[in-house]
Amino acid sequence: DQQVKQNSPSLSVQEGRISILNCDYTNSMFDYFLWYKKYPAEGPTFLISISSIKDKNEDGRFTVFLNKSAKHLSLHIVPSQPGDSAVYFCAASVTGNQFYFGTGTSLTVIP
Amino acid sequence: NAGVTQTPKFQVLKTGQSMTLQCAQDMNHNSMYWYRQDPGMGLRLIYYSASEGTTDKGEVPNGYNVSRLNKREFSLRLESAAPSQTSVYFCASNRDRGLYPSDTQYFGPGTRLTVL
Repeated sequence: DQQVKQNSPSLSVQEGRISILNCDYTNSMFDYFLWYKKYPAEGPTFLISISSIKDKNEDGRFTVFLNKSAKHLSLHIVPSQPGDSAVYFCAASVTGNQFYFGTGTSLTVIP
Repeated sequence: NAGVTQTPKFQVLKTGQSMTLQCAQDMNHNSMYWYRQDPGMGLRLIYYSASEGTTDKGEVPNGYNVSRLNKREFSLRLESAAPSQTSVYFCASNRDRGLYPSDTQYFGPGTRLTVL
């Protein structure tokens, strides 16, 4: 059973607008969450992370929000740029154990 | 500094054939991982090696074997390939799973395997 879910397989956004990618999880023991970005024919690359003791983490144009009560994670990209077009995976773990990945959301930023 | 490298990039096998996927990292990482990515399933952990000399099963180990040849290299072997093993395989590494359990993983470019 999928413990980490990304229910939107794809998302299209105009350049300059906000992109919001969502992720839901079922295991309340997860305490560390990450977002990875993947371009075609390349491996995933780390983007941003958040620990369960926080509810927000920012890094430049990227912000991750964590709502533990809803078991929901979101990634905001502001402003969106064409180079952000990629597949985004969220991942979660119980510290010290394996990461569980979502199925990915393909983001297209339209110039 | 090449990071994580994988060979081959592409491979086509017939059912029942065997092959070994190779992975190497030059970041002096202790921990290495093998994942498979399938449509609608995300990345799933096959095996990992927390440190040189150790290997452990992940979420989907059946049909695979691994060898941690040395600190740099971690190989994945399919002894008798099946069509269900058609997938994209990613190798990853990070500093030390035990000391830095939440350390981000660095991924290789992937091997696209088709089993006919």
